[in-house]
Amino acid sequence: AQTVTQSQPEMSVQEAETVTLSCTYDTSESDYYLFWYKQPPSRQMILVIRQEAYKQQNATENRFSVNFQKAAKSFSLKISDSQLGDAAMYFCAYRSPNFGNEKLTFGTGTRLTIIP
Amino acid sequence: GAGVSQSPSNKVTEKGKDVELRCDPISGHTALYWYRQSLGQGLEFLIYFQGNSAPDKSGLPSDRFSAERTGGSVSTLTIQRTQQEDSAVYLCASSLNSGVEQYFGPGTRLTVT
Repeated sequence: AQTVTQSQPEMSVQEAETVTLSCTYDTSESDYYLFWYKQPPSRQMILVIRQEAYKQQNATENRFSVNFQKAAKSFSLKISDSQLGDAAMYFCAYRSPNFGNEKLTFGTGTRLTIIP
Repeated sequence: GAGVSQSPSNKVTEKGKDVELRCDPISGHTALYWYRQSLGQGLEFLIYFQGNSAPDKSGLPSDRFSAERTGGSVSTLTIQRTQQEDSAVYLCASSLNSGVEQYFGPGTRLTVT
């Protein structure tokens, strides 16, 4: 079974600065998908960014980018130019590519606080 | 277009009562997932539907939990004889034909008193 670990329960960053959230995972599969989801107080999970394991290039979405290290099974999220609206819980998630096994396995989350 | 919707938004029930939670996926999404988010257990998978069938029910915690999906659209999660440990936020997500990205609803917060 796959596991996802987020070792930082809480992080804080000054507005406009850069912050990196850590995630490691364990799997025996060679191909898979990784995601970062954001959950604001409204509870709605919002997809921030995704990475396919077969792609060597790190995914980027505007101010959000990942550092994907497949050999180390590490998948960190970097948020640049942090904004007040980035304050939320952030969850790292793993998905198998196999049909019938599309469930997401989540880490325990990191609560990000933005300091004005 | 409309996103995933869930009802009710909040539900308070007495221990031992049955509850039904509803999920309306995005139109055209054939895959539907239920997850539970609780303080003690974090975010955990419950059940997955492809169309009206459930190829993966491995996350249902006990036989008090069941789910169905009709017409390849709306899904209902039923919890019988609720217990206090069932208190949690129940999240529903949908995706296109087992597409990679899952889109989540706002969840139902269930409180068992």
